[in-house]
Amino acid sequence: AQSVAQPEDQVNVAEGNPLTVKCTYSVSGNPYLFWYVQYPNRGLQFLLKYITGDNLVKGSYGFEAEFNKSQTSFHLKKPSALVSDSALYFCAVTYNAGNNRKLIWGLGTSLAVNP
Amino acid sequence: AAGVIQSPRHLIKEKRETATLKCYPIPRHDTVYWYQQGPGQDPQFLISFYEKMQSDKGSIPDRFSAQQFSDYHSELNMSSLELGDSALYFCASSLGQSSSYEQYFGPGTRLTVT
Repeated sequence: AQSVAQPEDQVNVAEGNPLTVKCTYSVSGNPYLFWYVQYPNRGLQFLLKYITGDNLVKGSYGFEAEFNKSQTSFHLKKPSALVSDSALYFCAVTYNAGNNRKLIWGLGTSLAVNP
Repeated sequence: AAGVIQSPRHLIKEKRETATLKCYPIPRHDTVYWYQQGPGQDPQFLISFYEKMQSDKGSIPDRFSAQQFSDYHSELNMSSLELGDSALYFCASSLGQSSSYEQYFGPGTRLTVT
């Protein structure tokens, strides 16, 4: 079955420290991978995506993610966390489904950056 | 830059009533998606439209219907509302239906069914 996993429900990190939010996937074909962030009572905002090319992609607000095909992972990272990064982070993956591609979402990881 | 507009932002209905949610995509975006998000949950895909035609269908109940109009705005019609329909409903739009395109989300409509 096609799936996306965000193994941590919550991640806590001190301000100024590096942060990692994990995402692994199990899908057929070549995946397209996305990260979105959701602030309280707001819609999801696109952060970055991997479609093809360089495995390291850079996105909004200083975030980056690395596509690792062998480990089927696409972890979100930031070198120095800010309190304002505290939010809910969703990983999403599209995969081949017949003639179409389907999008599936991870369950989200709540990031808390402590001052 | 223009974003996705959703109206209303908040809606309170009673059981068995009907509700209509509206979504105005980013200009030139021709694909619209509807999602339902319960508290603490990931977005559940309901339905999508590309160039005014339904392009994909997810977990949308039979009591719900949606359409995309000639100006690309979309409406989600919800009938015989149930308490379990209380949720945040997001609309998203993208430029084309290629799965390589990211989706841009509106602020959501919070529906409360009492």
